[in-house]
Amino acid sequence: QAVVTQEPSLTVSPGGTVTLTCASSTGVFTSGYWAYWFQQKPGQAPRTLIYDTTKKQSWTPARFSGSLLGDKAALTLSGAQPEDEADYYCLVPYSGVYWMFGGGTKLTVL
Amino acid sequence: QVQLQESGPGLVKPSETLSLTCIVSGDSITNYHWSWIRQPPGQGLEWMSYSAYRGSTNYNPSLKSRATMSLDTSRNQFSLKLTSVSAADTAVYYCARSGSDSGMRWGQGILVTVSS
Repeated sequence: QAVVTQEPSLTVSPGGTVTLTCASSTGVFTSGYWAYWFQQKPGQAPRTLIYDTTKKQSWTPARFSGSLLGDKAALTLSGAQPEDEADYYCLVPYSGVYWMFGGGTKLTVL
Repeated sequence: QVQLQESGPGLVKPSETLSLTCIVSGDSITNYHWSWIRQPPGQGLEWMSYSAYRGSTNYNPSLKSRATMSLDTSRNQFSLKLTSVSAADTAVYYCARSGSDSGMRWGQGILVTVSS
């Protein structure tokens, strides 16, 4: 079974830029698979930011973007705001047969 | 605007069966794909199951055949049953919708505690 890996924690300065990555042990992102990115704040349900690796939900702030970075999926935050401090999870749907979440990245804006 | 609402008991005894329902409003469950996802307290997200209308249902192998997901088009809802629960199944359970280039929408989640 594949393993999806994210940075456990990252820190960004207010107004700064940070990139979170999502790596699959099977290298699926180079084979046409895609990723979701979710933001979760304490006590809240996750909120989808990115789907199909690069597409934004209607509520996704413009400062968030999704991309491929080599063989990884990436979530870039440009112009971090204090309210962006949260846990971020990526999800890889392996052809709908099974899905795998990454362990999550705790993002601190400091 | 689609809304998903999880419902079910907040407390289940060990070895019993956990039964949850996701009530969908604002759209038909025949149009999308549906999932159950859980999150143990203080831990990350775990995918449990996925089903597409007229398609197959897939489960996380880690659940070892304890989970059954079903769609009820007459009531526009879907459900999850998890048998032989233990304390390790204590979690917030979320239902979610995906597919049709719509991204993913989540329910607000329901905390289920397994305890005697």
